[in-house]
Amino acid sequence: EVQLVQSGAEMKKPGESLKISCKGYGYSFTSYWIGWVRQMAGKGLEWMGTIYPGDSDTRYSPSFQGQVTISADRSINTAYLQWSSLKASDTAMYYCARRDTTSEHFQVWGQGTLVSVSS
Amino acid sequence: EVVLTQSPGTLSLSPGERATLSCRASRSFGSSHLAWYQQRPGQAPRLLIYATSSRAAGIPDRFSGSGTGTDFTLTISRLEPEDLAVYYCQQYGSSPLTFGGGTKVEIK
Repeated sequence: EVQLVQSGAEMKKPGESLKISCKGYGYSFTSYWIGWVRQMAGKGLEWMGTIYPGDSDTRYSPSFQGQVTISADRSINTAYLQWSSLKASDTAMYYCARRDTTSEHFQVWGQGTLVSVSS
Repeated sequence: EVVLTQSPGTLSLSPGERATLSCRASRSFGSSHLAWYQQRPGQAPRLLIYATSSRAAGIPDRFSGSGTGTDFTLTISRLEPEDLAVYYCQQYGSSPLTFGGGTKVEIK
């Protein structure tokens, strides 16, 4: 079964760094783009960026460029989303999702990682 | 960027009724590049429709998508209680990828 399993909820303080993960199971991890999507409490979905684990080619939404870093370690079938200095406004649910091979809709979603940033 | 506007914001219907959800784009983006997702309470989104009208694997045929240009529709032909959810459209014909604000479907 194709699955994306994300790391657990995080509680952090403003200014701290964080890296959350998304591990793929049941398919060739290096052959599919993985995207990250933010959902703030009670709000809609926002695309942050997408990475191709095969060669680490990465695309960012202009809204998130420079705010986060997306990476992948293909040896352990895992994609990452990281912040160097968190803000309270980064509090949200973050989803990873696997793209289709030939188009940019998201076929498979992780369960989400809740990130809470508060002093 | 392409802005997607979904309407209505909330739809309240009885089981067995037909639901019609709208997604309107601020400009054309390649009309086959439109997807719909369902997000049930407390769950991750799930792909329903891609390429405007193709159902994803395992999606019942009471879900259908249509549209062209800047106007797209998701139709649920006969509502069931488990259809309680927020539905989002997404365009992927133009970068950055964008989602609509969602339509909440309530079951009376």
